Amino acid sequence: KAGVTQTPRYLIKTRGQQVTLSCSPISGHRSVSWYQQTPGQGLQFLFEYFSETQRNKGNFPGRFSGRQFSNSRSEMNVSTLELGDSALYLCASSLVRTPTPETQYFGPGTRLLVL
Amino acid sequence: AQSVTQPDIHITVSEGASLELRCNYSYGATPYLFWYVQSPGQGLQLLLKYFSGDTLVQGIKGFEAEFKRSQSSFNLRKPSVHWSDAAEYFCAVGPSYNTDKLIFGTGTRLQVFP
Repeated sequence: KAGVTQTPRYLIKTRGQQVTLSCSPISGHRSVSWYQQTPGQGLQFLFEYFSETQRNKGNFPGRFSGRQFSNSRSEMNVSTLELGDSALYLCASSLVRTPTPETQYFGPGTRLLVL
Repeated sequence: AQSVTQPDIHITVSEGASLELRCNYSYGATPYLFWYVQSPGQGLQLLLKYFSGDTLVQGIKGFEAEFKRSQSSFNLRKPSVHWSDAAEYFCAVGPSYNTDKLIFGTGTRLQVFP
């Protein structure tokens, strides 16, 4: 079974631009979560989607948004990019069979550099 | 608030030596605990997890971890380290009902000398 895939793998943008990152979960997985990883802040939760609905949201500004499609694929968007948005953005998917936490499986990430 | 602490930022061991990476958590109820490993430029790979039951859990690549409720710890161990184990290791807690959100520790970078 294919793992979580993320596109693109690398991205260079300039301040003020916007960017869209894509994540395809493991087949059959219905939940997708996004995390930002930076050297200073570590791994921080952005948001979580399940059945096209945002189930949980981290403490990030409104410039960060996401959505999930009916096939469980997810996108996240960052508008008005700032230098501090440079990070590795990781997507994770899980099966969601019960309300209790499920194991999340991570993709390779998209490395975003903002100049 | 829920939190995860990994006290050791950087650990260096010789190949063949034993390894223990520390993880302490703060959470009011029984946590769901995970260890992930990240090689340079890669995503996170699940090593093992604890949800309930036997407090000693076995994972991939010869790793194991022991959940100790009295110490709020979930330390990762390996009896004999291989050079390929050099990576960054993250402990995480999945704290809540109806969400898969993870709270991560700051990570421990493992360096292995031949």
